[in-house]
Amino acid sequence: GQNIDQPTEMTATEGAIVQINCTYQTSGFNGLFWYQQHAGEAPTFLSYNVLDGLEEKGRFSSFLSRSKGYSYLLLKELQMKDSASYLCASMDSNYQLIWGAGTKLIIKP
Amino acid sequence: GAVVSQHPSRVICKSGTSVKIECRSLDFQATTMFWYRQFPKQSLMLMATSNEGSKATYEQGVEKDKFLINHASLTLSTLTVTSAHPEDSSFYICSARNRETEAFFGQGTRLTVV
Repeated sequence: GQNIDQPTEMTATEGAIVQINCTYQTSGFNGLFWYQQHAGEAPTFLSYNVLDGLEEKGRFSSFLSRSKGYSYLLLKELQMKDSASYLCASMDSNYQLIWGAGTKLIIKP
Repeated sequence: GAVVSQHPSRVICKSGTSVKIECRSLDFQATTMFWYRQFPKQSLMLMATSNEGSKATYEQGVEKDKFLINHASLTLSTLTVTSAHPEDSSFYICSARNRETEAFFGQGTRLTVV
């Protein structure tokens, strides 16, 4: 079956670094997405990885290991506005997104 | 990134009435649009996939006659919730794909049925 696993909730301190992990099992693979979702709003696109390695975009970086079915989202210099849910989604062979349940990130001062 | 506009952002309707939600890709042609529903504190649930000019493909458990989807052009898809009931109250989100490797989301529509 298809499955995406990510932690339900994480807490971090303002200014620190946090890594949100995601493991996936899908029928075929056409890339791994990370989205940010603030409460009551639609998700916004953060990153897309289809090749192994680390992609850096400002304070956010995303890593993919296809052989391990593993990805992580790294957030540096955390700000209070980063408090949100972070959704991991794998695109399967039919180009459909299979979503994780999301990780709620709580930032403390 | 590309822009997807979803309208309305909020709607309150009476039980038994129908509500139409529009999803437009403003600066690209979307050959495929997806409609999602999100229950409180849960992840997005795919309801249906619509390809321009053809009938939508519904996920298991989603009633086609209740959630009517029309994708008449490369820039517009609509979701109509027919004979809405309070249990249909939810957050509905569309996304549009301009090429196989990326999808862009609309702002979402919060539907409240009273």
